[in-house]
Amino acid sequence: QITLKESGPTLVKPTQTLTLTCTFSGFSLSTSGMGVGWIRQPPGKALEWLTVIFWDDNKRYSPSLKSRLTITKGTAKNQVVLTMTNMDPVDTATYYCAHTLRFGGYESIDYWGQGTLVTVSS
Amino acid sequence: SYELTQPPSVSVSPGQTARITCSGDALPKRYAYWYQQKSGRAPVLVIYEDIKRPSGIPERFSGSSSGTMATLTISGAQVGDEADYYCYSTDSSGDLRVFGGGTKLTVL
Repeated sequence: QITLKESGPTLVKPTQTLTLTCTFSGFSLSTSGMGVGWIRQPPGKALEWLTVIFWDDNKRYSPSLKSRLTITKGTAKNQVVLTMTNMDPVDTATYYCAHTLRFGGYESIDYWGQGTLVTVSS
Repeated sequence: SYELTQPPSVSVSPGQTARITCSGDALPKRYAYWYQQKSGRAPVLVIYEDIKRPSGIPERFSGSSSGTMATLTISGAQVGDEADYYCYSTDSSGDLRVFGGGTKLTVL
């Protein structure tokens, strides 16, 4: 059974850097095809895809946020870390991590964490 | 940039068929995925690769795709199916990953 859970601060100040950790179980990020991605959702708004990292350390970023995002595998084998620099109130959102399966040129986001609400305010 | 377009809302009576559409130029070449998100909860995958249903998803959920439009169909919609539904896909190169704007399904 695949599970994921996000952790990190619930409140950050404008201009600060946000660091979120995704801790997962039920799969290995060393296995071919496996990936972990991040998606966010501002209150009352639509989902927005942010970034993904794969088993082979291949990384992809949203073009509009690429300069502010970094995704890495954590020091623990079952963790992925997202950092977002220069946070702004418009970045207030629920941040989800999700299991992404890559095969034959296609990617499927199939399992999601419960999400963590991050508020940006001074 | 690349966009997937969904109607903001769809409303049906219980027992009727609900159809939610997702329009995108690359859909003839790329799969569509559908997610159900109930209030305050994380999204749940209900259809993948245009037409496939994950285990545990009721048979009344089905997907189809024709040309630049993918469709999620809920046959015999129930009050418990009320949720926001999102489609997801990529542009033709596979580099841009996007969600549609979401469709709020009301069953009453």
